Order: sequence, then C-alpha cells, then structure tokens
Amino acid sequence: AQKVTQAQTEISVVEKEDVTLDCVYETRDTTYYLFWYKQPPSGELVFLIRRNSFDEQNEISGRYSWNFQKSTSSFNFTITASQVVDSAVYFCALSGTGANNLFFGTGTRLTVIP
Amino acid sequence: DAGVIQSPRHEVTEMGQEVTLRCKPISGHNSLFWYRQTMMRGLELLIYFNNNVPIDDSGMPEDRFSAKMPNASFSTLKIQPSEPRDSAVYFCASSSRRDSYNEQFFGPGTRLTVL
Repeated sequence: AQKVTQAQTEISVVEKEDVTLDCVYETRDTTYYLFWYKQPPSGELVFLIRRNSFDEQNEISGRYSWNFQKSTSSFNFTITASQVVDSAVYFCALSGTGANNLFFGTGTRLTVIP
Repeated sequence: DAGVIQSPRHEVTEMGQEVTLRCKPISGHNSLFWYRQTMMRGLELLIYFNNNVPIDDSGMPEDRFSAKMPNASFSTLKIQPSEPRDSAVYFCASSSRRDSYNEQFFGPGTRLTVL
C-alpha cells in the first residue's frame, strides 16, 4: 500500500524566512516516484518537481530545494527567503511501480506573512 | 499550448439532479485522471483512463458516479442522482505516458455544490 504523510498541517513564517515542509512516505515498491504540487488560493494544482527512487541527488531550483532520503523515507521541500506569493497549500504525492495514479498527502498550508 | 480544460468551473444543483462534468486533456496526453478534493478526505483518485480505456475505477464512490472517455480529447464524469455529500472540487488531470514516471497536469477544477 502507498501512503504519504505530511505531519505539518499549517505553517506560518515571516517573509524572507526559510521554511521546510516535511513529507514521509510508505511503499513496498522498489521503483517509485515522488512529487510535490502547489495549490495557491486560486485553487489549481501546479506541478513543482518529480523524483524517482533511484535518484537521491538533491535538487535546487531557484529558491526551492528538495531533500530526498531513502533511509528515512522522506522527501522534504525547502523554500529559501520565502515570499508572500509562496502562500499556498503544498502537497507531496507518491506513485508506485506499474501504476500511474498519485497518492497524495493531506497537504501543508503555508502562510507567508509580509 | 492550452492546459487541461474543465467545464463548468462552478456548478450549483439541487439534490437528485444529474450533474455532468467535462474535461479536455492536453493534446497528445494518453492518460486521464479524475480526482475529488474535500476537506474531510483530501485529494482522492476516482478513476483513470489510459488510451481512453478505464484502468482503475476503484475510487468511484458509488454507482451514482460514472465516467466515460469516448475519444482522446474528451471525458465526462456524471453523477446521477446527486447528493449534498457529493459537494467538492473535482479535478481532471492528464499525463503523457502510461507509466508512473511523468507528472500529471491538472485542470482548474469544477466546484460542485449540491443543495
């Protein structure tokens, strides 16, 4: 069974602070894929990143970075120097071998205070 | 290129009425997904299609729900009869490969309210 846990329900930070969103997953598959999506107040779901289980290399994209650690089954997301536009709900998701449906976590609502 | 298109964006109906939600996937994508988002249950997959064929409909809550994909560029999700507990945001998403590697691109969603 696939499961994604985002223990942080809500986080508030002051603008320019760094913030890390946690994601822990469970799967029995040896090959799997992890994703992060952003849902801004407008409601759409925006793809941010995909990572496969064979690639533990961390990734940085501008102010965003992702830390994938198989040893702890975690795929955490850090926003550096947060901005008000980062305010959104962020979802971590998992897809297993041979299936392309996504299992979503419950999301973390991030509020960046100006 | 246009993204995933969903219509209507908002739907308000009365209990017992039939509701049809529509989705046009991104051109060239061969997988299509219907999700439902509620406060209580979060985002949950209802059904998905590969090459217009339903692959997994285990998430469809009841026989009142049905989905079709008559061609590669159109899908519908129908609820008949609708109930207040069906109120939610329904998302359609598409992706370009059959396996789990490629990301899904989501439409803007249809906010359904059943009175």
